Amino acid sequence: EDQVTQSPEALRLQEGESSSLNCSYTVSGLRGLFWYRQDPGKGPEFLFTLYSAGEEKEKERLKATLTKKESFLHITAPKPEDSATYLCAVGVYGSSNTGKLIFGQGTTLQVKP
Amino acid sequence: DGGITQSPKYLFRKEGQNVTLSCEQNLNHDAMYWYRQDPGQGLRLIYYSQIVNDFQKGDIAEGYSVSREKKESFPLTVTSAQKNPTAFYLCASSITVWEKLFFGSGTQLSVL
Repeated sequence: EDQVTQSPEALRLQEGESSSLNCSYTVSGLRGLFWYRQDPGKGPEFLFTLYSAGEEKEKERLKATLTKKESFLHITAPKPEDSATYLCAVGVYGSSNTGKLIFGQGTTLQVKP
Repeated sequence: DGGITQSPKYLFRKEGQNVTLSCEQNLNHDAMYWYRQDPGQGLRLIYYSQIVNDFQKGDIAEGYSVSREKKESFPLTVTSAQKNPTAFYLCASSITVWEKLFFGSGTQLSVL
């Protein structure tokens, strides 16, 4: 069964305290892993796409990495404006979910000043 | 500016009533999607369409219906058969399947 699990569910950080969010996946075939940021009451906003193990992408304080079983979203020296829910999604092929994105339940990040 | 427009932002449904959520995109994307988001849960796929005049059921299609008569439009109807419709509904589009999704701003549906 295709499955995507994010941890932790919630994370509280002090401003400047670096940490990582985890997205682990079990899928028949991986056709891309996507990270999104979602602010309360709004639609998710695209951050990164990763396609193969070892790939890394960076944007400001965020860095996404990918292995064969999981992805990490590293947040370096976060600021209060980084507070949001971060969603991970996996593009699947080779199963009944072919062509679909399977979403994790998200990690809600709160950064305190 | 190109993007996806969802309306209304808030919608209230009476028992036994069908309601329709609007989704319009001007990104010239072939694929369009409807997701449901409940508190503490990930996004669940209701319906998706890879091309005009074609659509497929997602994981939770019961109680919902869609149409795709134009490339730009993918309306979702929440029927009276959907007994627990209260949720945040998100429409998205992508150039093709497996490409990154662009999301609308969502519609919050509540039951009166």
